[in-house]
Amino acid sequence: AQSVTQLDSQVPVFEEAPVELRCNYSSSVSVYLFWYVQYPNQGLQLLLKYLSGSTLVESINGFEAEFNKSQTSFHLRKPSVHISDTAEYFCAVSDHGTGFQKLVFGTGTRLLVSP
Amino acid sequence: DVKVTQSSRYLVKRTGEKVFLECVQDMDHENMFWYRQDPGLGLRLIYFSYDVKMKEKGDIPEGYSVSREKKERFSLILESASTNQTSMYLCASTTTGNTIYFGEGSWLTVV
Repeated sequence: AQSVTQLDSQVPVFEEAPVELRCNYSSSVSVYLFWYVQYPNQGLQLLLKYLSGSTLVESINGFEAEFNKSQTSFHLRKPSVHISDTAEYFCAVSDHGTGFQKLVFGTGTRLLVSP
Repeated sequence: DVKVTQSSRYLVKRTGEKVFLECVQDMDHENMFWYRQDPGLGLRLIYFSYDVKMKEKGDIPEGYSVSREKKERFSLILESASTNQTSMYLCASTTTGNTIYFGEGSWLTVV
């Protein structure tokens, strides 16, 4: 069975500062990895995903995540955050057997960006 | 754009009532899901469906049932609502091998 650990429930940061949201996973098989973002009172939106190939994946709004197989991690980073990045971020995993169809989510990290 | 619509955004129901949460997607997706989201617990899968009239239990199916009579519609049913089912419910859909898309969520309060 897979599991996802997001150790930080909340990360406060000042605007324009860098941020890292941590995600570690556990699985006995090869996995696909995802980061979803949830803005207040909305559903989840896909931020970025790792399927295969380059271990560094990027989103259109400046976030990036690196798949590290040896450390079973998929940390999310942004070099300079904006107020509008305030949201809850969820890391998720699915194994190659089920494809993208069954996701196991972490408990989420709330990113709070202040001026 | 893919659209997953949850028609009821905010509901307040009494203990013991039967509750229906409706979800409709407009992209002809085969797969649909119901998740429950609680603070500190993340998202937990209640039920999912790979095809019309097909359903499978997720991680926390107790107290819930589902119905998929048409491909575009996936309903979550609380047969007898209880206060511990107060939560946010998220519907999602996908076609095989693709990204999962979520609705905006239904906030259910059971009093």
